[in-house]
Amino acid sequence: DQQVKQNSPSLSVQEGRISILNCDYTNSMFDYFLWYKKYPAEGPTFLISISSIKDKNEDGRFTVFLNKSAKHLSLHIVPSQPGDSAVYFCAASAYTGNQFYFGTGTSLTVIP
Amino acid sequence: KAGVTQTPRYLIKTRGQQVTLSCSPISGHRSVSWYQQTPGQGLQFLFEYFSETQRNKGNFPGRFSGRQFSNSRSEMNVSTLELGDSALYLCASSLAASISSYNEQFFGPGTRLTVL
Repeated sequence: DQQVKQNSPSLSVQEGRISILNCDYTNSMFDYFLWYKKYPAEGPTFLISISSIKDKNEDGRFTVFLNKSAKHLSLHIVPSQPGDSAVYFCAASAYTGNQFYFGTGTSLTVIP
Repeated sequence: KAGVTQTPRYLIKTRGQQVTLSCSPISGHRSVSWYQQTPGQGLQFLFEYFSETQRNKGNFPGRFSGRQFSNSRSEMNVSTLELGDSALYLCASSLAASISSYNEQFFGPGTRLTVL
């Protein structure tokens, strides 16, 4: 039972444009969300997080938006750079637990 | 500060064998989680250890087990290997200052297990 879903397995974007990666979740108890970036042959690295008390969190070129009523979050990368080409995973957790639930990932390709 | 290390990086086994994977967390981190990554399945949670105790367990058969030592290093064991166990096994550590605090997880590079 996939509680966190990333319905787009891949995304291609031109360099300098905006990349929007989407994530949906089903468990209303989730209140902490993270995005990870993964290069081949490396483990995922933490990118940005957001708690349910916020609807937006920004860190440089990366912004995460949370829509609790729709159980949806998105990661915006502006402007996109070729070095952003990687697989992006979203993850969710409930405050009462220490287990993170990951999506299946979206492979982003930024075309120079 | 050294990152999360996992050994070995690559492993080839045959069906029916067993395997032990090792993970050394970041110094000071007390929580270690294990994940299985297969194509199309994302990261599937196996279990999480905190101070040598298993706190959470995912939906995997009993062939998958783990343990954590007093120095927070962790091992994962898979017995009676099946072809479907071929995957990248990732270990992540976090500070986990308290049982219900949010903690960013730091991942190791993973162990690529191939079962023939």
